[in-house]
This record gives sequence, C-alpha cells and structure tokens, in this order.
Amino acid sequence: GAVVSQHPSRVICKSGTSVKIECRSLDFQATTMFWYRQFPKQSLMLMATSNEGSKATYEQGVEKDKFLINHASLTLSTLTVTSAHPEDSSFYICSARLDRGGNSPLHFGNGTRLTVT
Amino acid sequence: GENVEQHPSTLSVQEGDSAVIKCTYSDSASNYFPWYKQELGKRPQLIIDIRSNVGEKKDQRIAVTLNKTAKHFSLHITETQPEDSAVYFCAAYTSGTYKYIFGTGTRLKVLA
Repeated sequence: GAVVSQHPSRVICKSGTSVKIECRSLDFQATTMFWYRQFPKQSLMLMATSNEGSKATYEQGVEKDKFLINHASLTLSTLTVTSAHPEDSSFYICSARLDRGGNSPLHFGNGTRLTVT
Repeated sequence: GENVEQHPSTLSVQEGDSAVIKCTYSDSASNYFPWYKQELGKRPQLIIDIRSNVGEKKDQRIAVTLNKTAKHFSLHITETQPEDSAVYFCAAYTSGTYKYIFGTGTRLKVLA
C-alpha cells in the first residue's frame, strides 16, 4: 500500500515552454502532498506543500508564479514549471503521506528529471 | 528556519563492519524522525523511523536512537553488506508546521 505515482519520469523541453508534472496517490487519499527538488548529489529541498482544495504553501525563495501547484483532488497534485529555463533543470520529486492522526512517513514518487535546453 | 544537519557526507566501510550516521535538528518541536535510503536514480525509501516518545528502535540490522535533549538522532547499520551502499537521508517532522525537513544526505559505500 501507499504507492505514489509520478509522471513523466523524464522530460526534455525547450527554454520558455511549460512542463506539467503529475503526482498521484494510487491506493490512498492524500490531503497534503509535498514537492521537493533535488540537485545532483544533494539533499531534498522542500519547494511547497500542496493542499487539496486550497492554495499551496511555498517555501521561502520559491517563486509561486513559476512553479504552479494544483491539488484538485485527494489523489492528484500537479506541478507546472512555467517558462522553463536551463537553471530549472533538476530532479523534481513529489511525496504524500497517509491521512491519519499522528506522525507518519512520506511516500515518494519516482521523480521527474527535467532538462531544459 | 528549520534545519537538519547530517554527518558524515560520505562514509566508506568494509563489508561486515558497522556504519553510523548522525543528524541534528534545530526545531525543538520536531516529533517524528524518519530515515530514507535512496539508490541512484530511484525514489527515497523509508527504512526506519522513530517518534519523539521513544529513545531507540531496532529492525534487524538497522537501529535508530534519539536524544531529544541534545536534538540528535542517529542511524546504526550493523553487519553492512554491499547492497547497503546508497545515499541515506534523515528527516525531522514537526506537527505544528506539517513539514518534513531533510538532512543533507550521507553517501554510504560498503566495500566488499
């Protein structure tokens, strides 16, 4: 149980275009999902917390107009990188946790490697 | 803001030896501490976790200890095997902020 599916796994796009990444919780409902960015050989940096039915909460330094997050249902959150530039090239990974009281671990998607040319 | 420091950044051990990775968190309200293993190009996988009301937890060759006073927690892997080679991340979660903050990662290499 607690499977998180993320698509696409790889995407190459041209500078100036937009890319949408989907994150789905397959066998559980997730009121909250988290989007992380990971540079090569570095840690997972929290970008934003995606809340079903409300606005996402962005971390300091993350441009909300550039990284659009939509959490339209209890099983789907999307991250759209708008007007992508080469510096946006990175590994983006979503995660979710079971909606239950108390603390529980995050379950991660497989990640999306974005390359902007 | 919240911060989690992790050491060492790289660790090489001989097969069969033990490996210890240490983390320090800054938010005293953190109350849940998971550890993840990430193999190259793959998603992080939970390997063990500990809650703030517990000082130690063990699962076969893996154990985690927590010192709330010092805000330290550590991962211990005994009888290491080559397949333990990966990057390990610690994390601290705070109920009040609903955030999981990750450490900087430790690249563990187990030499056969």
